[in-house]
Amino acid sequence: EPEVTQTPSHQVTQMGQEVILRCVPISNHLYFYWYRQILGQKVEFLVSFYNNEISEKSEIFDDQFSVERPDGSNFTLKIRSTKLEDSAMYFCASCCRRAGGDNEQFFGPGTRLTVL
Amino acid sequence: DAKTTQPNSMESNEEEPVHLPCNHSTISGTDYIHWYRQLPSQGPEYVIHGLTSNVNNRMASLAIAEDRKSSTLILHRATLRDAAVYYCILKGYSSASKIIFGSGTRLSIRP
Repeated sequence: EPEVTQTPSHQVTQMGQEVILRCVPISNHLYFYWYRQILGQKVEFLVSFYNNEISEKSEIFDDQFSVERPDGSNFTLKIRSTKLEDSAMYFCASCCRRAGGDNEQFFGPGTRLTVL
Repeated sequence: DAKTTQPNSMESNEEEPVHLPCNHSTISGTDYIHWYRQLPSQGPEYVIHGLTSNVNNRMASLAIAEDRKSSTLILHRATLRDAAVYYCILKGYSSASKIIFGSGTRLSIRP
């Protein structure tokens, strides 16, 4: 069964450093998402991406964050200058082989980001 | 986004059915009712969704009230592996629409 994969599983970084979290969505999916979950809290939406551009972003997704689909298979989340409060589990998700179709989102296993 | 209300936690015995309730009294006519779950240390996982009629799949059944103001996720025979947080979510039809997760119901299964 196809699945969303994410690398690395755990990333430790120093405050102020840049990190790139990588995701390989399900092949032929059209919509891509990043969510995050701070330990013990709800899963929060960050950004959605379709047709090579951001469809929607939350207030969390400020200028420090960016997303890219550089090569048609990977989907990346970059945090330019990490803060302590960026420590969280980051989930990538993808959806739908056709626009307007059934909208079940498939989530990856997550990358645990620890900012020291 | 329309809000859902779920109990914080529930417990059930292994191999017995589990009924997880959800209230969504402000649901709009175009909102789909989705259920996701999150097993410990894993990403959310789709369970089932429906609009008006009851739905069945290999994981669960979804019973939707006639007025659509509430729904119940039914696990027919709970296993220890079903221990998770279950989220009831209202979501528009658009494929691009984000999922807004609430706090969900933490389901514990007694062996």
